Amino acid sequence: SQKIEQNSEALNIQEGKTATLTCNYTNYSPAYLQWYRQDPGRGPVFLLLIRENEKEKRKERLKVTFDTTLKQSLFHITASQPADSATYLCAPVTSYGKLTFGQGTILTVHP
Amino acid sequence: ETGVTQTPRHLVMGMTNKKSLKCEQHLGHNAMYWYKQSAKKPLELMFVYNFKEQTENNSVPSRFSPECPNSSHLFLHLHTLQPEDSALYLCASSPQEFRDRANSPLHFGNGTRLTVT
Repeated sequence: SQKIEQNSEALNIQEGKTATLTCNYTNYSPAYLQWYRQDPGRGPVFLLLIRENEKEKRKERLKVTFDTTLKQSLFHITASQPADSATYLCAPVTSYGKLTFGQGTILTVHP
Repeated sequence: ETGVTQTPRHLVMGMTNKKSLKCEQHLGHNAMYWYKQSAKKPLELMFVYNFKEQTENNSVPSRFSPECPNSSHLFLHLHTLQPEDSALYLCASSPQEFRDRANSPLHFGNGTRLTVT
């Protein structure tokens, strides 16, 4: 069955460092991969989408990679700030429209 | 302001009560969704509506009854719930449904925190 695993339920880093979050998937081949941010008591907010034929996507301090051979996406936040502390969700999407969320990684950036 | 408004933000209900959750989107989107988020579990898709027609029911118990009177409004009617139904219920919308456009991002409301006693 399809499985999504976001490594590290929680990640703690120092301000200014680069945070790297991992999303691994098995038993299927998504055509897209979306990343969302969720703050406590709030709904998820869409951040970035990357297609299977794109190796890398950037938006300001965010960078996403998509390796279809490794079946993995990496989400990087450079020059991290305490305001980046949140839960980050990956969501692979198949070409026929099935979107499934990972369980999320809680990122805490310490001042 | 997310463009998707959910009310109420918090709801406590007994197992014999009947209540409704409301969702309204101001984004002109055609697809609307209900998701359930329980502690330590991934978001679970419950229902999908496209142009006010239900296109997916993800094996949700009948004690949850959705209603979509138009493309801007979505309701979730609740009756005889169980304590394990306590969770954050999230409404989302997208320009088109995933099956029509697989890269369509979701816009979420801030959810209703439901507690069943």
